[in-house]
Amino acid sequence: GQNIDQPTEMTATEGAIVQINCTYQTSGFNGLFWYQQHAGEAPTFLSYNVLDGLEEKGRFSSFLSRSKGYSYLLLKELQMKDSASYLCAVSQAGTALIFGKGTTLSVSS
Amino acid sequence: DTAVSQTPKYLVTQMGNDKSIKCEQNLGHDTMYWYKQDSKKFLKIMFSYNNKELIINETVPNRFSPKSPDKAHLNLHINSLELGDSAVYFCASSPGGQGSGNTIYFGEGSWLTVV
Repeated sequence: GQNIDQPTEMTATEGAIVQINCTYQTSGFNGLFWYQQHAGEAPTFLSYNVLDGLEEKGRFSSFLSRSKGYSYLLLKELQMKDSASYLCAVSQAGTALIFGKGTTLSVSS
Repeated sequence: DTAVSQTPKYLVTQMGNDKSIKCEQNLGHDTMYWYKQDSKKFLKIMFSYNNKELIINETVPNRFSPKSPDKAHLNLHINSLELGDSAVYFCASSPGGQGSGNTIYFGEGSWLTVV
């Protein structure tokens, strides 16, 4: 089976840096995704990590440690529009993408 | 250009009714999915089709019947709707098969409310 854990809620202020952690237990691991979902909208792709290390994409970075079953999404220079749910999802051989329950991030001014 | 489109976006219906949600993707992807997102925002896989063939059926009641006439379409028919079926249903597609590490692209969602 698979188990994906991430915090339910986080808060931060504009301009700050926030790190959203995700731990997972799975077999046949084939990569980890982060998706962003604004209220009332569809999830949209942010990042994909399959090898250990940090992937940077603008203000957003994602890190993976396969040996620890651990990933994080780092958001820098937070903006109000970053208020959303952030979904950690694991790609496992032979199954569809499995999502965690999401972290709701609230950014305040 | 709409990549994954689903209709209707909003649907309010009474218990016991039968309803369908249609989905189409113009990305040329081989694999399509139906996900259900409940009131707690948990996104859970229901079905997966690869080239019109059912690959995954995740313990969904048999009142839910997916149909894929071709690899660009995956429709969801629900019989005898129950209050607990109220949720957002997302159609999605990906270029490769399950667990291949391919990015999944979601439709806009269909908000189903059963009263």
